[in-house]
Amino acid sequence: DAKTTQPPSMDCAEGRAANLPCNHSTISGNEYVYWYRQIHSQGPQYIIHGLKNNETNEMASLIITEDRKSSTLILPHATLRDTAVYYCIVRVSLTGGSGSRLTFGEGTQLTVNP
Amino acid sequence: EAQVTQNPRYLITVTGKKLTVTCSQNMNHEYMSWYRQDPGLGLRQIYYSMNVEVTDKGDVPEGYKVSRKEKRNFPLILESPSPNQTSLYFCASSLMPGQGSYEQYFGPGTRLTVT
Repeated sequence: DAKTTQPPSMDCAEGRAANLPCNHSTISGNEYVYWYRQIHSQGPQYIIHGLKNNETNEMASLIITEDRKSSTLILPHATLRDTAVYYCIVRVSLTGGSGSRLTFGEGTQLTVNP
Repeated sequence: EAQVTQNPRYLITVTGKKLTVTCSQNMNHEYMSWYRQDPGLGLRQIYYSMNVEVTDKGDVPEGYKVSRKEKRNFPLILESPSPNQTSLYFCASSLMPGQGSYEQYFGPGTRLTVT
């Protein structure tokens, strides 16, 4: 799986958009970008994933650059409950086995301030 | 409600005393796995299972056993726990690739301390 680089920490004001960047310059054409978050030692929670096109769901938006070497997770209106560690993961959607393993790096600690 | 449950949530035990951490999912997922999380090391996969009676080693399988006798359950067994197995453990499940969303669902975690 391609290596990802994320800033170790970010701050955001409550109600504002939180934009979390991720660099994955060695990404391959068949690798997806996944985002998970972990709120203080709880189980990681899936947020969103994408391959080439921008994606949006009820939680967030994912913007992937045209060359796919970086992406940004956008939380449009951050709340205090969005304070968590956010993980950007790049991996191939293989046919199961060890390919289903998620490799979590250190992620970005997002702190939403009142 | 779709969920992965783990029990116990907290456990303090002594070296060498066998223990089992249970994991159950109600989403009819084929794929299940166990991770451990340690400071500075992130989450590392211990074992995984692609279906009933099919299990395989992940990155850090030493000192652990698993079984998959039923689709919904995937217990983690520590035959002779040691202090270096003190960690936060997560069970996860998902559909197999090609069957829809590849999202993995995680349990709430089990914090294990071995003295």
